[in-house]
Amino acid sequence: KNEVEQSPQNLTAQEGEFITINCSYSVGISALHWLQQHPGGGIVSLFMLSSGKKKHGRLIATINIQEKHSSLPITASHPRDSAVYICAAPNSGGSNYKLTFGKGTLLTVNP
Amino acid sequence: EAQVTQNPRYLITVTGKKLTVTCSQNMNHEYMSWYRQDPGLGLRQIYYSMNVEVTDKGDVPEGYKVSRKEKRNFPLILESPSPNQTSLYFCASSLLLAGYEQYFGPGTRLTVT
Repeated sequence: KNEVEQSPQNLTAQEGEFITINCSYSVGISALHWLQQHPGGGIVSLFMLSSGKKKHGRLIATINIQEKHSSLPITASHPRDSAVYICAAPNSGGSNYKLTFGKGTLLTVNP
Repeated sequence: EAQVTQNPRYLITVTGKKLTVTCSQNMNHEYMSWYRQDPGLGLRQIYYSMNVEVTDKGDVPEGYKVSRKEKRNFPLILESPSPNQTSLYFCASSLLLAGYEQYFGPGTRLTVT
């Protein structure tokens, strides 16, 4: 089973600040998911990364396959970025049917 | 509009009373899955289905059943709900496998008293 760790768990920023959310996983994967969940809201898929970088609006995620690590930097953070960000990785052992999730990073951006 | 729908959105029930949460997708996706989300534990996979009549257990399948008789529908059945199944449930679908973009339903908040 893939182990997925996110950091930090909670992040508070002032509008305009640069922040980064990190995700590490234990076993090589075909693709890593980044999801966004607004307070009281549903879950939206932001990215699916298998290498390099991927862009979704203002957000650009990167992944380093060798280091088993992905980052989601947010430049010029805005209150509308306030949400829980969750990364997820398919399980190992050839089973690409199961997803393991990180516990999420709660981002609060104050105006 | 491409979407995953779940019903009901909110449900309060009592211990032992069988219930079904429905999930339907209109994207002709082969892969569908159920997750539960709990504070401090995050999202955990309950069951998944690779195609019609093909289902398998996720990480927390105890107390749940599923069926996939049609490609678009993947209901979650709690035959005898217990308070520890109080949670927020999400259904999701993707074209193929877990390595493809996941489309989530709006969630069902279940309370078992």
